[in-house]
Amino acid sequence: NAGVTQTPKFRILKIGQSMTLQCTQDMNHNYMYWYRQDPGMGLKLIYYSVGAGITDKGEVPNGYNVSRSTTEDFPLRLELAAPSQTSVYFCASTLGEGGRNEQFFGPGTRLTVL
Amino acid sequence: AQSVTQPDIHITVSEGASLELRCNYSYGATPYLFWYVQSPGQGLQLLLKYFSGDTLVQGIKGFEAEFKRSQSSFNLRKPSVHWSDAAEYFCAVGGKGGSEKLVFGKGTKLTVNP
Repeated sequence: NAGVTQTPKFRILKIGQSMTLQCTQDMNHNYMYWYRQDPGMGLKLIYYSVGAGITDKGEVPNGYNVSRSTTEDFPLRLELAAPSQTSVYFCASTLGEGGRNEQFFGPGTRLTVL
Repeated sequence: AQSVTQPDIHITVSEGASLELRCNYSYGATPYLFWYVQSPGQGLQLLLKYFSGDTLVQGIKGFEAEFKRSQSSFNLRKPSVHWSDAAEYFCAVGGKGGSEKLVFGKGTKLTVNP
């Protein structure tokens, strides 16, 4: 099993550009999460999904969108990139509720918006 | 709403010394508590988890943590630190009864001196 994979690993965007961060898991997990990590701030939840077709906002959803058309994939969309979205983005998945069970993390995407 | 405080932003220890990383949580009921470790440039990996029973929990890599309800704490310990333990450590809290999400602390960065 590859676990949780994320692409790309690094990306530089210009202000106003858009992009999609890809996340795929091959563990048949129903719960999936997107976090952003800023220095000294820990992880903040952006969006999460409890199954295909179901998504919900986390703590910091503004400027982002998600979709979950399959169990495996949970892409994160940035429509109009802003410097405040410079961060490291992690996707995670778990079988069952993420507040009770181990979350498995991808390696992250480092995004810089200039 | 639950919250997590990690009072120490950065800790430096010598190789072979003992280690204790502090974590205090706020939650209205019995929490699910987690410690994750993040090596440089990597995603997070679960070290250990507490959800009920014995308040002393053993994890991977020789780590243990003790749940103290009276102090709302879940401190992580290791009797003898190895250079490879240098990383950032995150405490997180979930909860029973429909807990879909984790709340993470801001992290403690551990430096190990030879």
